[in-house]
Amino acid sequence: EVQLVESGGGLVQPGGSLRLSCAVSGFTFSNYWMIWVRQAPGKGLEWVANIKKDGSQKYYVDSVEGRFTISRDNAKNSLYLQMNSLRVEDTAIYYCVRDPGGYVSGIYYDAFDIWGPGTMVTVSS
Amino acid sequence: AIQMTQSPSSLSASVGDRVTITCRASQGIRNELGWYQQKPGSVPKLLIYGASNLQSGVSSRFSGSGSGTDFTLTISCLQPEDFATYYCLQDFDYPRTFGPGTKVEIK
Repeated sequence: EVQLVESGGGLVQPGGSLRLSCAVSGFTFSNYWMIWVRQAPGKGLEWVANIKKDGSQKYYVDSVEGRFTISRDNAKNSLYLQMNSLRVEDTAIYYCVRDPGGYVSGIYYDAFDIWGPGTMVTVSS
Repeated sequence: AIQMTQSPSSLSASVGDRVTITCRASQGIRNELGWYQQKPGSVPKLLIYGASNLQSGVSSRFSGSGSGTDFTLTISCLQPEDFATYYCLQDFDYPRTFGPGTKVEIK
């Protein structure tokens, strides 16, 4: 069974750090781009960052650039999100997401097909 | 960053209705757009990628169209399980950006 399970969320003070992990199973992790998406309480979805299959390319939303770092360990089937200098506005559920891509006539499209249940991050004093 | 807007922000509809949701990009994004459904308390579900390609296992009631800046998601015959919030997502450029969502409620 394909599974993504996040961990590492919790309560942290502004300016603090957290490291989120996502353990995957049921598929060949190294064959997929992976993404972090977050959702503040009662709000919409926000794409946070993604990472290429081999970890060689990473992209971030502007609001976390320089504070968050996405990484992966293909040998451990794990995705990570190191979050530093946390702000109140980073409070959200963080989802780990798989992207196999949708290929149509040789063109690649993002296609976020499997989502973990999420881990809650609360930034508050 | 590319800004995505959706209209309406919410709508009320009855079972059996045909529903159309619109998504607009602040610049042309070719057909690089996906649609996601999220029910309360659940994770999002991929419906459509590449503007019009139905994800495997998704009901054919759902269809997508559009290119450039204007896109639509159509639910041909609304079912009870379709009441949810729908989000578009552009994958033309980084950072990827979601629309604010459209909540489909029961009339």
